Amino acid sequence: NAGVTQTPKFRVLKTGQSMTLLCAQDMNHEYMYWYRQDPGMGLRLIHYSVGEGTTAKGEVPDGYNVSRLKKQNFLLGLESAAPSQTSVYFCASSDRVLRDTQYFGPGTRLTVL
Amino acid sequence: AQSVTQPDIHITVSEGASLELRCNYSYGATPYLFWYVQSPGQGLQLLLKYFSGDTLVQGIKGFEAEFKRSQSSFNLRKPSVHWSDAAEYFCAVAPGYSSASKIIFGSGTRLSIRP
Repeated sequence: NAGVTQTPKFRVLKTGQSMTLLCAQDMNHEYMYWYRQDPGMGLRLIHYSVGEGTTAKGEVPDGYNVSRLKKQNFLLGLESAAPSQTSVYFCASSDRVLRDTQYFGPGTRLTVL
Repeated sequence: AQSVTQPDIHITVSEGASLELRCNYSYGATPYLFWYVQSPGQGLQLLLKYFSGDTLVQGIKGFEAEFKRSQSSFNLRKPSVHWSDAAEYFCAVAPGYSSASKIIFGSGTRLSIRP
């Protein structure tokens, strides 16, 4: 099992450009999450999904959109990137409930110039 | 408001020395508690978790943590650290009263190992 994978690993954008980060999991987990990690701030939840076709806002959702068209995939979109979105983005998944153990991908380092 | 605090931003210990990383939370009910480790350039990996039962929890890589309700703490310990333990450690908490409760992560403690 590959677990949780993220594509791409690194990306540099210019302000105003758009991009989509892809997260895939092969553990048949119901719940998936997108976090951003910034120095000294730990992980902050952007959006999450409790099942195929569902999404919900987390702590810092502004400027991001998500979609969960297939159970194994969770996409994070930036429609118009801003320098404040420079961060490391982590995807995670969990099995039964939102408070269950989460399994993390390796991260995507995004720089917005 | 729900919160989890890791008071130490950065800790340096000598190889072979003991380690204790602090974690405090603010919830009324018994929470679900986790410790994750993040090696440089990697995602987070679960070290251990506490949901109920014995308050001393054993995890991977020789780590353990103790839930102390009276102190609202869940400190991580290791009797003898190895150079490979250098990483960032995150405490995480989810309120136990609802299965819809989301996990909240602390801001992390960076551990450096002195040779």
